[in-house]
Amino acid sequence: GAGVSQTPSNKVTEKGKYVELRCDPISGHTALYWYRQSLGQGPEFLIYFQGTGAADDSGLPNDRFFAVRPEGSVSTLKIQRTERGDSAVYLCASSRMRQETQYFGPGTRLLVL
Amino acid sequence: GDSVTQMEGPVTLSEEAFLTINCTYTATGYPSLFWYVQYPGEGLQLLLKATKADDKGSNKGFEATYRKETTSFHLEKGSVQVSDSAVYFCALRKGGGSNYKLTFGKGTLLTVNP
Repeated sequence: GAGVSQTPSNKVTEKGKYVELRCDPISGHTALYWYRQSLGQGPEFLIYFQGTGAADDSGLPNDRFFAVRPEGSVSTLKIQRTERGDSAVYLCASSRMRQETQYFGPGTRLLVL
Repeated sequence: GDSVTQMEGPVTLSEEAFLTINCTYTATGYPSLFWYVQYPGEGLQLLLKATKADDKGSNKGFEATYRKETTSFHLEKGSVQVSDSAVYFCALRKGGGSNYKLTFGKGTLLTVNP
């Protein structure tokens, strides 16, 4: 079956602009996660959704970052007033239930100029 | 807080050589341990896992044993192939109420030459 997909695969934007990153999880997976991977680092947890609600957003770096999952499937990560330090690969993962194996998408590479 | 430390790369080996990538962790309680692999141009994939002390995870010729006494989960393979060239990430997931959040190491780049 289809895996986790993310769009766009690459996004270049200017400092101060707003961006949206989309994640389509595996069908039927109730849990969805966002991670951020900076150059030379491992992925770092941002937020976890169980269904439509954000069960844990403790990894979001500040209030410029926000994520939604209105229908319990597709999720959008939104970044306001982007800064150069936001440049990274943003990874989405999903799992059937929260303690089960997480399947990762290919990521969106964000570059803020 | 929880953390995972991996040996620094890059690691370069010849085909059929023996591979070890060291991984140690710091966490309270009894975390589950994972190795993920990222092949060039692809997303992270689960390679193997172990959920309790002395468990051995294995897949595709790779093995790792959960050693609670040394807080380690070293990845090994007896004979690497060119197709094993990738970045390898060690990760942990705590139990209980936080049994969803993965904490990753920085990754180790492995290059296998023919």
